[in-house]
Amino acid sequence: KAGVTQTPRYLIKTRGQQVTLSCSPISGHRSVSWYQQTPGQGLQFLFEYFSETQRNKGNFPGRFSGRQFSNSRSEMNVSTLELGDSALYLCASSLQGMASGIYEQYFGPGTRLTVT
Amino acid sequence: GNSVTQMEGPVTLSEEAFLTINCTYTATGYPSLFWYVQYPGEGLQLLLKATKADDKGSNKGFEATYRKETTSFHLEKGSVQVSDSAVYFCALSGNQAGTALIFGKGTTLSVSS
Repeated sequence: KAGVTQTPRYLIKTRGQQVTLSCSPISGHRSVSWYQQTPGQGLQFLFEYFSETQRNKGNFPGRFSGRQFSNSRSEMNVSTLELGDSALYLCASSLQGMASGIYEQYFGPGTRLTVT
Repeated sequence: GNSVTQMEGPVTLSEEAFLTINCTYTATGYPSLFWYVQYPGEGLQLLLKATKADDKGSNKGFEATYRKETTSFHLEKGSVQVSDSAVYFCALSGNQAGTALIFGKGTTLSVSS
């Protein structure tokens, strides 16, 4: 079974631009979560989508947004990029249904975003 | 709120040495606990997990026991290999659908031959 895929793997953008990152979950997984990883702040939760609905959101400004499509693929968008947005953005998928409990996530390789 | 504290590295060991990476947590209720590993240039891989008190998670020679009385989930391995060199993250999540993973800062392990 194919793992979580993320595209692109590397991206260089300029301050003020916007960017869209894509994530394809493991087949059959309906939950997709996004995390930001930086040396200073570590791994921080951005948001989680399940069945095209945002179910949970971390403490990030409104410049960070996401969506999920009917095939469970997800995109995240960052508008008006700042230097501090340079990070590794990780996507994770989970089989988890609405009534299930244990939360086991499978991570993709990440998209390395550099803002100059 | 919920949080995870783990020892910061780097941890430098010789091959076949014993490894311990400490992890403690603060959480309401009864979270699930995880150890993830990140190899250079890669995403996170689930190493092991425990979902209730006194559970022991194990995988690839690594072990960790969910200790509710000490709110700890220390990672151990009896004999490390060079290939174990990576960054290790302790994490917790609530057991409700949609709950986010909360990670520790990560511990870099470097094993030399």
